Amino acid sequence: EIVMTQSPATLSVSPGERATLSCRASQSLGSNLAWYQQRPGQAPRLLIFRASTRATGIPARFSGSGSGTEFTLTISSLQSEDSAVYYCQQYYNWPPITFGQGTRLDIK
Amino acid sequence: EVQLVESGGGLVQPGGSLRLSCATSGFTFRSYWMNWVRQAPGKGLEWVANIKQDGSEKWYVDSVKGRFTIFRDNVKNSVSLQMNSLRPEDTAVYYCARDQLGDDDTFDHWGQGTLVTVSS
Repeated sequence: EIVMTQSPATLSVSPGERATLSCRASQSLGSNLAWYQQRPGQAPRLLIFRASTRATGIPARFSGSGSGTEFTLTISSLQSEDSAVYYCQQYYNWPPITFGQGTRLDIK
Repeated sequence: EVQLVESGGGLVQPGGSLRLSCATSGFTFRSYWMNWVRQAPGKGLEWVANIKQDGSEKWYVDSVKGRFTIFRDNVKNSVSLQMNSLRPEDTAVYYCARDQLGDDDTFDHWGQGTLVTVSS
């Protein structure tokens, strides 16, 4: 099983600034990595797939990068609506499909 | 508009059974892999199972193998999860999620979730 590790666990950033979230895999994924946003009380929403491709309707403020075992989600020009938990997910080798434990982003 | 609506959650005793259903609309259901993903209270996401377009392949996370069964009905456009021998650690919100078309096993549409509570 591929283990996904996200850091930091919690991140607090001011509106208008940039947030950088990290995800590390226990083995190489190539580019088979996705990011999701989950706002309180809501289902997750796909943001990024194939490490850097934005899903339909996702604003350009969200960008993904990385390959192999190290990946980054960058959110620029932060807005209050970006307060959420963000999860990475690997789909290189499954079953099982695995998620990271999440990074909580607070917009202070 | 793509819609996924789960139902069937509730309170069940340890060792009991429950069947979750996900009714879908707004897309060609038979063309997509479908998944169940769960989230224990206050915890992260855990993929549970998925099923191929024609039902010929089914995959499960180890912790539910032999207890849960995923199946689909391409006439009724629905996917279900039969859960037997339930344990307290199965307590979670269960989401139905659609795979993207193509080679990326990522989930582009989700239902609102249904809560399963396993407790005596």
